[in-house]
Amino acid sequence: DSGVTQTPKHLITATGQRVTLRCSPRSGDLSVYWYQQSLDQGLQFLIHYYNGEERAKGNILERFSAQQFPDLHSELNLSSLELGDSALYFCASTTTPGLYNEQFFGPGTRLTVL
Amino acid sequence: KNQVEQSPQSLIILEGKNCTLQCNYTVSPFSNLRWYKQDTGRGPVSLTIMTFSENTKSNGRYTATLDADTKQSSLHITASQLSDSASYICVVNGNTDKLIFGTGTRLQVFP
Repeated sequence: DSGVTQTPKHLITATGQRVTLRCSPRSGDLSVYWYQQSLDQGLQFLIHYYNGEERAKGNILERFSAQQFPDLHSELNLSSLELGDSALYFCASTTTPGLYNEQFFGPGTRLTVL
Repeated sequence: KNQVEQSPQSLIILEGKNCTLQCNYTVSPFSNLRWYKQDTGRGPVSLTIMTFSENTKSNGRYTATLDADTKQSSLHITASQLSDSASYICVVNGNTDKLIFGTGTRLQVFP
């Protein structure tokens, strides 16, 4: 158990809908990263928050947004969902941003868009 | 383009045997390379992190090597166990904290 929690574990929804994925980092970690893992593809970095502020963006679609709250939990909002958005979504946390810091991953949320 | 390529895509071995997984990368500049183990449907778990100055690092039965000159790394698993069945992902970090992931090698260990 990494100490990172994600809810829900599974989510099934329809095209055009909007969903929110939640991540709680390890106790004491200030950085949260979001990743998307589509079938048979590597994890793709979406966005990074540090202590409530957006720090870096990756290949995140404009239909997706995220935020980190004062209690350091983070939410990833996915809107106008398309079939291709079906994937595993992981968050990871570290104490602070850093090139050598280990990222601890949550168990993921499996999103299925029908 | 910064890329991480892994081979083989999949591998089947018998319990107790050794195996070696390969990773080639084109990420530049380079700061560190990581190997993660990902069980099906679970989040990745870190096995090793190596900087450019380290050429080998072990974690139990897992030994990673790095050749920063040729931009190659390998992960050697000794005396495989059924619980080693998983995907093994090579991850490279450049000069930001954005990780670049390979697509992984899916290892299956049979009794």
